[in-house]
Amino acid sequence: GAGVSQSPSNKVTEKGKDVELRCDPISGHTALYWYRQSLGQGLEFLIYFQGNSAPDKSGLPSDRFSAERTGGSVSTLTIQRTQQEDSAVYLCASGGGAKNIQYFGAGTRLSVL
Amino acid sequence: SQQGEEDPQALSIQEGENATMNCSYKTSINNLQWYRQNSGRGLVHLILIRSNEREKHSGRLRVTLDTSKKSSSLLITASRAADTASYFCATENQGGKLIFGQGTELSVKP
Repeated sequence: GAGVSQSPSNKVTEKGKDVELRCDPISGHTALYWYRQSLGQGLEFLIYFQGNSAPDKSGLPSDRFSAERTGGSVSTLTIQRTQQEDSAVYLCASGGGAKNIQYFGAGTRLSVL
Repeated sequence: SQQGEEDPQALSIQEGENATMNCSYKTSINNLQWYRQNSGRGLVHLILIRSNEREKHSGRLRVTLDTSKKSSSLLITASRAADTASYFCATENQGGKLIFGQGTELSVKP
């Protein structure tokens, strides 16, 4: 595709349910990032994939959060047993090349009721 | 933390005025980038400045980098109402990881 695609664009779930957020990066990009942004706040780094290297999971806030990237392309962020404080916009970005410029998707707005 | 800190957190100016936003960081970097965000959705890359550069221009944007002070500034000249957005700096560390600051919310009044 022409850009980074995230789905769903909006997700409403009940507290305690699991959710999966998907990111389709730009083809050929080796780097993929997940961020979380609460209303009016900055970007909180969650996880970083770079090529075949082990992902940098240092930003994941708890063991309820996990992410995988299959075949170096599509990534899925999973939140288990969602809590109300998980409500935020989850942004995915991919990048590659010498300049490491990131291209962002439009995000998934998660609301946990 | 390597995370950049930006100031001011919010800036309100009149159309036609210049807007200056600052970013400070803590560790060595490969480059520093500025991004813009409209309406809480995806960010858009504006400009990149490498650690061995001091100033970069792109249209009405001017970015400076002072590695001795670990700081950068973004200047938007002759601002327009359409420049209203949040602006973020991001620093790339030696490992290629980008870390974003908290952002400056710019409001340009017509």
